[in-house]
Amino acid sequence: DAGVTQSPTHLIKTRGQQVTLRCSPKSGHDTVSWYQQALGQGPQFIFQYYEEEERQRGNFPDRFSGHQFPNYSSELNVNALLLGDSALYLCASSLPSIYGYTFGSGTRLTVV
Amino acid sequence: AQRVTQPEKLLSVFKGAPVELKCNYSYSGSPELFWYVQYSRQRLQLLLRHISRESIKGFTADLNKGETSFHLKKPFAQEEDSAMYYCASRWNNDMRFGAGTRLTVKP
Repeated sequence: DAGVTQSPTHLIKTRGQQVTLRCSPKSGHDTVSWYQQALGQGPQFIFQYYEEEERQRGNFPDRFSGHQFPNYSSELNVNALLLGDSALYLCASSLPSIYGYTFGSGTRLTVV
Repeated sequence: AQRVTQPEKLLSVFKGAPVELKCNYSYSGSPELFWYVQYSRQRLQLLLRHISRESIKGFTADLNKGETSFHLKKPFAQEEDSAMYYCASRWNNDMRFGAGTRLTVKP
């Protein structure tokens, strides 16, 4: 089991562009959560997807949107990139239970 | 809104010394609480969760509802415990993390 896989691992974009990050959850997991982790900070919750719908959302602007597919994989889209969007974006999968999350290695996004 | 506070960004102890990483949460309900660890060049991984009352790698964490704390403890630190530690709380499918504490165990 490869666990949670994220692609790409690194990405450089120009301010104003749009970006799509991808996540494949751990086998058997049906819930995907996305986090933004700036340097020296803890992961900040962006949103969670379950049954192809956004179930919870953190304090992020509408420029951040997502999608979940029938196979439970997920995408995170960020429009109109700002320099401040530069961060490590983490995907975590889980079951809707008391268990913790399984994290991917993240996508390092740099906006120049 | 729920909030997790880890007051120490850095913590350094000698090998064999006891270690305690502090975590406080603010939420009026009963969230689920977790400790996650990130070793150098590895992904964030679950260390333990309060509901299972388990000891993992010698670490334990006790939930104190009166003080709204969930401190992580180990009686004898090892060099391989050096890592970033994140406390997290989950309420209603919303998992929030603290800023993390970098633990360094010196030989």
